[in-house]
Amino acid sequence: SYVLTQPPSVSVAPGQTARITCGGNNIGSKSVHWYQQKPGQAPVLVVYDDSDRPSGIPERFSGSNSGNTATLTISRVEAGDEADYYCQVWDSSSDRHVVFGGGTKLTVL
Amino acid sequence: EVQLVESGGGLVQPGGSLRLSCAASGFTFSSYWMSWVRQAPGKGLEWVANIKQDGSEKYYVDSVKGRFTISRDNAKNSLYLQMNSLRAEDTAVYYCASFVIAVADSTVRTGWFDPWGQGTLVTVSS
Repeated sequence: SYVLTQPPSVSVAPGQTARITCGGNNIGSKSVHWYQQKPGQAPVLVVYDDSDRPSGIPERFSGSNSGNTATLTISRVEAGDEADYYCQVWDSSSDRHVVFGGGTKLTVL
Repeated sequence: EVQLVESGGGLVQPGGSLRLSCAASGFTFSSYWMSWVRQAPGKGLEWVANIKQDGSEKYYVDSVKGRFTISRDNAKNSLYLQMNSLRAEDTAVYYCASFVIAVADSTVRTGWFDPWGQGTLVTVSS
């Protein structure tokens, strides 16, 4: 089955740029979606289809996807961005399975 | 306002059964695929099951096949998850979510979850 690999943690100072990666075999051929989950809350979609933002999500959140790595970029990081972030793909080759990455804890220093 | 509200969680003994419900409002429920996603305590997200708009297609993660059944009642705007033969490793918060799909050449190209319910906790323990 398809595997998505995320770093367990990323740290960044306020105002700087955070980049969270999601690795997978030829992931550039798939569409990647990203979720933010704050403690005790349900996940929230922040980027879909590699780089589109749902309404209400700040422009500071952006995504890219190429080769074997997809990246969620958060510009001008704020304390409120501290959360777990998960990538997700639709793996059409494996009986309609949905795959999540293991998640990355973003810490704002 | 789009809203998904789960119910039915609780404590159950290993081998027991539980039925989760998800009440949808604020959108045309019958037009969307729906899903269950779970999260074990302190762990990441795990997709559990999907169901097509009319219930004609259902898909499950391997670990629950034969034990869990996803279903829906479009007249009641409700999604369900019947869980049988529960195991300790099924302990998790179970989220209901709308699964938004993108189609290309008449096949599903991709899909994402939006929105999510607040979740209901299922604990399997003796």
